[in-house]
Amino acid sequence: ELKVEQNPLFLSMQEGKNYTIYCNYSTTSDRLYWYRQDPGKSLESLFVLLSNGAVKQEGRLMASLDTKARLSTLHITAAVHDLSATYFCAVVGNYGGATNKLIFGTGTLLAVQP
Amino acid sequence: DAGITQSPRHKVTETGTPVTLRCHQTENHRYMYWYRQDPGHGLRLIHYSYGVKDTDKGEVSDGYSVSRSKTEDFLLTLESATSSQTSVYFCAIREGLADWSSYNEQFFGPGTRLTVL
Repeated sequence: ELKVEQNPLFLSMQEGKNYTIYCNYSTTSDRLYWYRQDPGKSLESLFVLLSNGAVKQEGRLMASLDTKARLSTLHITAAVHDLSATYFCAVVGNYGGATNKLIFGTGTLLAVQP
Repeated sequence: DAGITQSPRHKVTETGTPVTLRCHQTENHRYMYWYRQDPGHGLRLIHYSYGVKDTDKGEVSDGYSVSRSKTEDFLLTLESATSSQTSVYFCAIREGLADWSSYNEQFFGPGTRLTVL
């Protein structure tokens, strides 16, 4: 059974600092996604990572994937208040399948303090 | 926003009553999904559909049924609502080049907040 763990669950950081959110998963998967959710809102897609060594960057966020270690990281550079949100990673639960069932981590609540 | 709407957006109901949530999409996507979101659990898949009249269970399907009689609508029914089904429900669609394409991304609707008293 595929399990996805994120840590930390809560992250309070100061503006201008760097930090990393970790996403570990328990069985082989060929796709990993990162989403952002603002309070009371829906999920917004941030990154799709498809292969070992994949790295994607958007603004102050950079995501990477190591399929051998079953680990993805979301790195935040020089945090700003607007990045405050909950971040989820999700892994496809049926390797090689067409149904694309996602297994989500529990989320990391990021609070950026001025 | 991938053309996804959910209705109702908020609902309060009583234990034992039937409830139906609707997901509507305008872009003819084949795959649709229902998730629930609860604190400490992230999102969990309830049911999904891979075409008209084609549905299958997800990881938390007990107490829920679904129907898809048209491509654009995916209905989630709680036959007899219980307090444990108080949650936020999200519908999602999958965009992708083809069924077996590696690049298949899910986009989510605005959500329905359901409270069962």
